Amino acid sequence: AQTVTQSQPEMSVQEAETVTLSCTYDTSESDYYLFWYKQPPSRQMILVIRQEAYKQQNATENRFSVNFQKAAKSFSLKISDSQLGDAAMYFCAYRTYQGGSEKLVFGKGTKLTVNP
Amino acid sequence: KAGVTQTPRYLIKTRGQQVTLSCSPISGHRSVSWYQQTPGQGLQFLFEYFSETQRNKGNFPGRFSGRQFSNSRSEMNVSTLELGDSALYLCASSFPGLGSAGELFFGEGSRLTVL
Repeated sequence: AQTVTQSQPEMSVQEAETVTLSCTYDTSESDYYLFWYKQPPSRQMILVIRQEAYKQQNATENRFSVNFQKAAKSFSLKISDSQLGDAAMYFCAYRTYQGGSEKLVFGKGTKLTVNP
Repeated sequence: KAGVTQTPRYLIKTRGQQVTLSCSPISGHRSVSWYQQTPGQGLQFLFEYFSETQRNKGNFPGRFSGRQFSNSRSEMNVSTLELGDSALYLCASSFPGLGSAGELFFGEGSRLTVL
């Protein structure tokens, strides 16, 4: 069974600075999706960024980028120019690439605090 | 386009009772998944429905059940509630298939408190 580990329960960053959230996973599959989801306090979870395992190029979405190391099974999220609105729980998630399953396996999450 | 809608948003029940939660997916989405979120266990997969059929089931007791209707709306039911069932229950919808990129869209959740 796949597992996802986020080793940093809490992180903090100063506004306008850069922070990196760590995620490792375990799987025997060669094709899969990886995601970072953001859950602000009392608000719904939204997708931050996705990565298909077969793509070697790291995904980027504006201020958000990932460092995907397939051999090391590592998938870290870098947030540049941090903003107060980035404060939230961040979840790393894994999804099999095979059809017939929309199941996500989540890490325990990292609580990000952004200090003004 | 309306997002994923979950009702009720908050509810309080006592041990031994049962509860039914509802989820309306984004229009056109045929897959609905349910997750339980607690501080201790994090986000755990309950089950997934696609075209009215349960495709996947997580490791939860039989007290947890669900169903999906022809319009893709889904309900989950928890019978004989226990204190440990207190959690945020999240529903997510998606449009499976090649090119879907695997993204799930989440609702705001139903917060269940069991006393």
